[in-house]
Amino acid sequence: SQKIEQNSEALNIQEGKTATLTCNYTNYSPAYLQWYRQDPGRGPVFLLLIRENEKEKRKERLKVTFDTTLKQSLFHITASQPADSATYLCAVRGPTGRRALTFGSGTRLQVQP
Amino acid sequence: ETGVTQSPTHLIKTRGQQVTLRCSSQSGHNTVSWYQQALGQGPQFIFQYYREEENGRGNFPPRFSGLQFPNYSSELNVNALELDDSALYLCASSLETGSELAFFGQGTRLTVV
Repeated sequence: SQKIEQNSEALNIQEGKTATLTCNYTNYSPAYLQWYRQDPGRGPVFLLLIRENEKEKRKERLKVTFDTTLKQSLFHITASQPADSATYLCAVRGPTGRRALTFGSGTRLQVQP
Repeated sequence: ETGVTQSPTHLIKTRGQQVTLRCSSQSGHNTVSWYQQALGQGPQFIFQYYREEENGRGNFPPRFSGLQFPNYSSELNVNALELDDSALYLCASSLETGSELAFFGQGTRLTVV
């Protein structure tokens, strides 16, 4: 069955550095992949969507890459700030047709001042 | 803010009881999906409602049921609550059933004791 895997260990980095989070998927070839931010006790907030024919997508300090050969997406936050501390989730549509989002378990990012 | 509102924000119930959670979708959105998120996990798809009909279901037992109303707001009902039902319940609305983007509410934290 389809699996989305994210590093379950928290990522701790210093303010100003680049944070890189990984999302790997198996048994599936999604047409696109999404990244969400989730703060404790809150719902996920959509950040970026990248399609299978796009290698890279940027939005302000965020950058997402999508390697369909490696079945992997990387999510980068440049010049990280303590306010970027949160859990980041990747998600793909399926396998219930296009109706459901399948999420990874998320990676918690902690940016130290 | 996404415009998706959920109520209540927190709830404590006893094992065996029944619970109803509510969601108002974003204006103009006719599709509502419900997710269950256990602590430390990603959201898991429960089901989706499109124009008042169930339109896809995840791996959840029949005691999880729902409704969608003509104004596209929705309810999630859970009967015979079990301790493992303790989780954050998330509602997401989309413009259409196949839309790429879903907008999440802030969630309802359900604790079963």
